Amino acid sequence: GENVEQHPSTLSVQEGDSAVIKCTYSDSASNYFPWYKQELGKRPQLIIDIRSNVGEKKDQRIAVTLNKTAKHFSLHITETQPEDSAVYFCAAGGADGLTFGKGTHLIIQP
Amino acid sequence: ETGVTQSPTHLIKTRGQQVTLRCSSQSGHNTVSWYQQALGQGPQFIFQYYREEENGRGNFPPRFSGLQFPNYSSELNVNALELDDSALYLCASSLVASGGTGELFFGEGSRLTVL
Repeated sequence: GENVEQHPSTLSVQEGDSAVIKCTYSDSASNYFPWYKQELGKRPQLIIDIRSNVGEKKDQRIAVTLNKTAKHFSLHITETQPEDSAVYFCAAGGADGLTFGKGTHLIIQP
Repeated sequence: ETGVTQSPTHLIKTRGQQVTLRCSSQSGHNTVSWYQQALGQGPQFIFQYYREEENGRGNFPPRFSGLQFPNYSSELNVNALELDDSALYLCASSLVASGGTGELFFGEGSRLTVL
């Protein structure tokens, strides 16, 4: 089955700086790579996703890159704001389900 | 449009008992998946149903079973509960074409404690 590794487990950045979270996956058949944000005590919510036929996708301050050869993908958040503080999960998979990483706790320092 | 709802929100069981958790998918969604989330961990994929058929399963034993009904509501059954089954159980629904993928819409979860 699929195995997803996510790093770092905790990331602390100054407000306004950029944050980068990295994930690797094992199954070359995976073709869908979403990122979810989970605030304390709330449900996970999709923030951006990318499919295997695309190398990069951007949505305002958030971007995701995918390297299929190396089997890794990354989340980039620019100009971080206090409301970006949360746990972020990457996931990989396809039509038969998603495997999630263990999460990155992003802390935005004022 | 109503979102994904789950019941019960909290429950306590003892080791060896059985539990049924319920989920009502978002209106119009045809796929439901269940995840187990231990404290401080990522959601672990249990299984997925597409149009009432299981079409994907994670690394969980057979005592974890499920159903999806014609109205796309779903339930997760866990038999012979173990202490390690204590976790938040998340249901997520999506609308996908056959063989496709799409955004998961999660419910608030059911917090299960096994004593």
